Amino acid sequence: DQQVKQNSPSLSVQEGRISILNCDYTNSMFDYFLWYKKYPAEGPTFLISISSIKDKNEDGRFTVFLNKSAKHLSLHIVPSQPGDSAVYFCAASVENDYKLSFGAGTTVTVRA
Amino acid sequence: GAGVSQTPSNKVTEKGKYVELRCDPISGHTALYWYRQSLGQGPEFLIYFQGTGAADDSGLPNDRFFAVRPEGSVSTLKIQRTERGDSAVYLCASSPSSGSYNEQFFGPGTRLTVL
Repeated sequence: DQQVKQNSPSLSVQEGRISILNCDYTNSMFDYFLWYKKYPAEGPTFLISISSIKDKNEDGRFTVFLNKSAKHLSLHIVPSQPGDSAVYFCAASVENDYKLSFGAGTTVTVRA
Repeated sequence: GAGVSQTPSNKVTEKGKYVELRCDPISGHTALYWYRQSLGQGPEFLIYFQGTGAADDSGLPNDRFFAVRPEGSVSTLKIQRTERGDSAVYLCASSPSSGSYNEQFFGPGTRLTVL
């Protein structure tokens, strides 16, 4: 039962342009959402998060948008850089829970 | 400071064998988590420790899987009678405390291959 879905397995973007990654969830109890970035042979590293009381959170080049009514969130990376080439995982959790539910990931390739 | 470390980085075993995977969390982190990532999937929760006790083992797929954390630091995930379907990357994470708003720091994982 996949509660977090990333329907685009891959994304290719030119350096300097915007990358937009999408994530949908089915569990209405989720109230905290995170994006993790993963390079080959490394563990996922935390990138940015958003609480359900907000609809936007920004950190440098990274912005996460949350649409609770649509159960949808997105990650915007602008401008995209070659070092952003990685797998990006969307994750979600329920308040007072500790388990993260992950999507299948989106592989981003930034072309020079 | 040192991050989460996991050993071995790769483990190849034969079907039916027993394996142990080790996780060293970040010093001082009381919460420790194990996840399993199969090919083409995101990490899936297996078990969570708060201190020495397994607070939630609901993600363990069956009784061939067991994990311990005897001194509240290092944890070992044990898999008996391995099957080919157990092949995956096993990820360990730790956090300063439990709770949904605590960032989990992940190790590089152990890639288990069951032949």
